[in-house]
Amino acid sequence: QQPVQSPQAVILREGEDAVINCSSSKALYSVHWYRQKHGEAPVFLMILLKGGEQKGHEKISASFNEKKQQSSLYLTASQLSYSGTYFCGTDSYSGAGSYQLTFGKGTKLSVIP
Amino acid sequence: GAVVSQHPSWVICKSGTSVKIECRSLDFQATTMFWYRQFPKQSLMLMATSNEGSKATYEQGVEKDKFLINHASLTLSTLTVTSAHPEDSSFYICSARAGTSYEQYFGPGTRLTVT
Repeated sequence: QQPVQSPQAVILREGEDAVINCSSSKALYSVHWYRQKHGEAPVFLMILLKGGEQKGHEKISASFNEKKQQSSLYLTASQLSYSGTYFCGTDSYSGAGSYQLTFGKGTKLSVIP
Repeated sequence: GAVVSQHPSWVICKSGTSVKIECRSLDFQATTMFWYRQFPKQSLMLMATSNEGSKATYEQGVEKDKFLINHASLTLSTLTVTSAHPEDSSFYICSARAGTSYEQYFGPGTRLTVT
């Protein structure tokens, strides 16, 4: 089942912060975050494996609340390069030791000068 | 590390012909590869999952006779769109996972246009 992302779209000025949420109605094994620019493939940002885990790289970080089946991506002091569509992907067990990612519909982030 | 390549980057073909897209993991062994399709302004929709040496597992609604997937080695998977039609025009993206790794890396995608 597809995770739900919110908001669908957000416009920021450079330097502003944003939060993108991802929630699932199913138990989550892990949450993956990707950013995709127009016409390009998604680029891996980070993966969260355990409830309560938080990760970050430079000014982009994420948290995973396993009990609430939610994850949030935090973009701090946004830069023009942060523009793109952000997807969360949730892992589900597909049998025979395999997991597959199901992606949300994406959140389009536009950072303007 | 963790580079996945796809070839070709884009292809234009006539209706009724077949097109093969290659996906390679360049610096790791991909025990599992995934094929996605993405229509403009939409999310990535999983088409099929393939494990090396096994038949691919197709998602509901994806015709396995139309989208042939071969995962012949730990570094190569191919997707063949047979008897392509204009509605098959889309962005096809592969991704790969190594062993028990949770991380999934995407290829650059192939834009298919069927005229």
